[in-house]
Amino acid sequence: GAVVSQHPSRVICKSGTSVKIECRSLDFQATTMFWYRQFPKQSLMLMATSNEGSKATYEQGVEKDKFLINHASLTLSTLTVTSAHPEDSSFYICSGLDRRNEQFFGPGTRLTVL
Amino acid sequence: AQTVTQSQPEMSVQEAETVTLSCTYDTSENNYYLFWYKQPPSRQMILVIRQEAYKQQNATENRFSVNFQKAAKSFSLKISDSQLGDTAMYFCAFMKRAGAGSYQLTFGKGTKLSVIP
Repeated sequence: GAVVSQHPSRVICKSGTSVKIECRSLDFQATTMFWYRQFPKQSLMLMATSNEGSKATYEQGVEKDKFLINHASLTLSTLTVTSAHPEDSSFYICSGLDRRNEQFFGPGTRLTVL
Repeated sequence: AQTVTQSQPEMSVQEAETVTLSCTYDTSENNYYLFWYKQPPSRQMILVIRQEAYKQQNATENRFSVNFQKAAKSFSLKISDSQLGDTAMYFCAFMKRAGAGSYQLTFGKGTKLSVIP
């Protein structure tokens, strides 16, 4: 299957700082990418849909000013957690959608906010 | 809104045996996709199998097959000849295109499957 990378895999930051997570589709073009959040022992919660060259679509309850998404190319989407707080600590997963409407997931990023 | 229900939080199966994981969903849509994903302890999400709602034939992928009952809104996953590497969380997911660049995506809460040697 297709490969999606995420960077960094782990990040620890201080409260009030911003953190950027990159999601790359390595061997296919992903017009659409998704960002998820997963709490321990829970399911994936869709945060937003990222479309290349346009504004992201956020799910209800997700603050667009806090979770900034940029999808500048067909292979790269970034999620920036602004002014991070301890409650933002979580596992963040991205995925890229291919032409067959199949999602290929990145390995995830564990964010810890101190 | 679509809902996806996995009624079995945990299941176990003996190695080489067969196990079925259940999934039901609720939607008023006619065209959509259903997926089963596997998430091992590494937390990497892996596609197990997919089904397009317009296809009547049940999808199969080697030891994995589904029983798709559209009218009943049921999408169960059967794993044959279970292997130790099948131990993981399994998530059922619903997806529908909602417009240009817009999708409806819902995941079930997951079933933790343990394969016992």
